[in-house]
Amino acid sequence: DTGVSQDPRHKITKRGQNVTFRCDPISEHNRLYWYRQTLGQGPEFLTYFQNEAQLEKSRLLSDRFSAERPKGSFSTLEIQRTEQGDSAMYLCASSQNLRGDFSYEQYFGPGTRLTVT
Amino acid sequence: GIQVEQSPPDLILQEGANSTLRCNFSDSVNNLQWFHQNPWGQLINLFYIPSGTKQNGRLSATTVATERYSLLYISSSQTTDSGVYFCAVEAIKAAGNKLTFGGGTRVLVKP
Repeated sequence: DTGVSQDPRHKITKRGQNVTFRCDPISEHNRLYWYRQTLGQGPEFLTYFQNEAQLEKSRLLSDRFSAERPKGSFSTLEIQRTEQGDSAMYLCASSQNLRGDFSYEQYFGPGTRLTVT
Repeated sequence: GIQVEQSPPDLILQEGANSTLRCNFSDSVNNLQWFHQNPWGQLINLFYIPSGTKQNGRLSATTVATERYSLLYISSSQTTDSGVYFCAVEAIKAAGNKLTFGGGTRVLVKP
């Protein structure tokens, strides 16, 4: 169990550019989540996948954002035409139901810190 | 949606002191987790505790689901306990298993 990994850890981009982040979940976990955290706030949910299916998207996820998990393993989050308001920490989490109930403990990666200049 | 409130927002402790952090939530939950966010931004799992009491070393947590609150206890605090502590819940009524986070308690332990 190597934990959730994210790449890159830091990204600086100019407004209007596209960026893509990658998340590798814990290997046996079938659920993958994306969250966004701005300075001084708690993380906010963006979207999640059960295997390769994207099951829910937050209203925070505008049309400029797209997420994929093509083979049910790693996931990518792309932001097109970045804006300064997109500057934040983007966190990925994964989980697997080991308890036979509805709730899933989530484990987080180290995050990708995006700065849009 | 569900509301999660944490108190106090800030806490300054002398090394060796004990403290209690509180998390109130506005609706019934399937899941409640406590995290410690270190200065590099990594969220570290402390407890998965939708109800009951758990202990892990100097930390313990209690969730009273019927009264919609959870407490995190830090005993004999150390400087390495500094950081932000988040409570996060999964509402029963919410679709999917998304976590809703509180605003956090920022803890500074002074030597």
